[in-house]
Amino acid sequence: QKEVEQNSGPLSVPEGAIASLNCTYSDRGSQSFFWYRQYSGKSPELIMSIYSNGDKEDGRFTAQLNKASQYVSLLIRDSQPSDSATYLCAVKIGRRNQGGKLIFGQGTELSVKP
Amino acid sequence: GAVVSQHPSWVICKSGTSVKIECRSLDFQATTMFWYRQFPKQSLMLMATSNEGSKATYEQGVEKDKFLINHASLTLSTLTVTSAHPEDSSFYICRAGFGDEQYFGPGTRLTVT
Repeated sequence: QKEVEQNSGPLSVPEGAIASLNCTYSDRGSQSFFWYRQYSGKSPELIMSIYSNGDKEDGRFTAQLNKASQYVSLLIRDSQPSDSATYLCAVKIGRRNQGGKLIFGQGTELSVKP
Repeated sequence: GAVVSQHPSWVICKSGTSVKIECRSLDFQATTMFWYRQFPKQSLMLMATSNEGSKATYEQGVEKDKFLINHASLTLSTLTVTSAHPEDSSFYICRAGFGDEQYFGPGTRLTVT
């Protein structure tokens, strides 16, 4: 079983819709979870981090964490064509606030159609 | 926010030669840096953890004699791809930070001809 799993997509949504991206992880002891956005040919950029069960909102982005189900999701409201990118879910191995390995899912390609 | 730089941003080399890639933390000290490799349409794969003043820790399946890592100071880690072959052509990205604040470098695209 892969440590971090995502649907590879592509996920296609119309402009203005909500895009929902999902991720599951295998290590029950994980405490830190991240969503990155990666444009083609570029390095990943951090969108959201989440550490506690529940929702965390930042502008049009909402991250959701359910540790019991080992599930992390990212919702993008009012999707824009500029949101078209690959979204990477990452889980840190180790305790919070300590440096550690980031394990990435395979990424979900999102396409927002005008 | 903190900045991590990489040099060069892209490089083309001939098969059999060696290439050095630098990763620098510009406004903070990084005792640990991480090196990733990404092939087209694939996710980031952790290659090794670079530790300042000590040997790097390599992930399973990564040849330590081929991918030499040197973390000579708190702001610089280098990855040297030795005797490069076309299958080493990839996007190499470093990551550095402190605690949960982690930043990726802009990446280095290596093409081996």
